[in-house]
Amino acid sequence: GAVVSQHPSRVICKSGTSVKIECRSLDFQATTMFWYRQFPKQSLMLMATSNEGSKATYEQGVEKDKFLINHASLTLSTLTVTSAHPEDSSFYICSTPRGQGSYEQYFGPGTRLTVT
Amino acid sequence: GEDVEQSLFLSVREGDSSVINCTYTDSSSTYLYWYKQEPGAGLQLLTYIFSNMDMKQDQRLTVLLNKKDKHLSLRIADTQTGDSAIYFCAERGQTGANNLFFGTGTRLTVIP
Repeated sequence: GAVVSQHPSRVICKSGTSVKIECRSLDFQATTMFWYRQFPKQSLMLMATSNEGSKATYEQGVEKDKFLINHASLTLSTLTVTSAHPEDSSFYICSTPRGQGSYEQYFGPGTRLTVT
Repeated sequence: GEDVEQSLFLSVREGDSSVINCTYTDSSSTYLYWYKQEPGAGLQLLTYIFSNMDMKQDQRLTVLLNKKDKHLSLRIADTQTGDSAIYFCAERGQTGANNLFFGTGTRLTVIP
């Protein structure tokens, strides 16, 4: 069964509003979670690394004030897209290693965001 | 930085074997992965190989790694229509780093 869940699976919002996406690890603790973005017909691009209890690390070119990441517990990380614009429309996927140093990485089912 | 490349499309007939290729540039890669993505869904881990291995077989899947040429391939035997999807190779870089770098994905179409 699924080990990582995301909510919502699909969201449509108006331009200028904010949207929160949740990523939960099921049955295990995730000290690190990764957030990826996938544009249509393109590969996944790492946006940021979310660390429980500390600030997220953002990849070059990703605005930390626009994509707010909170990792307040060992099983939940949230990504908030603030003041969303149509160009933020994308498929957002989170992932986490099963354990510290684990080579297996589990992905959530993804959230499709459409900004109108 | 890391660069992972794949051909974009592959079509095969049902029952034939599929071979999806991937090249990467990071010589410090520790693990290399193959993920499957069906339409509108997240990624499903198919298999992985440690960088000191040349081959790994798992049922219909065979992974070959040529570390010298930095070339990875995924062979799917007896390809079925349910195998139609996008296949991503990904590499994990230096020891201790958990984030993955993905290829562009290969869209496999299986023709009945």
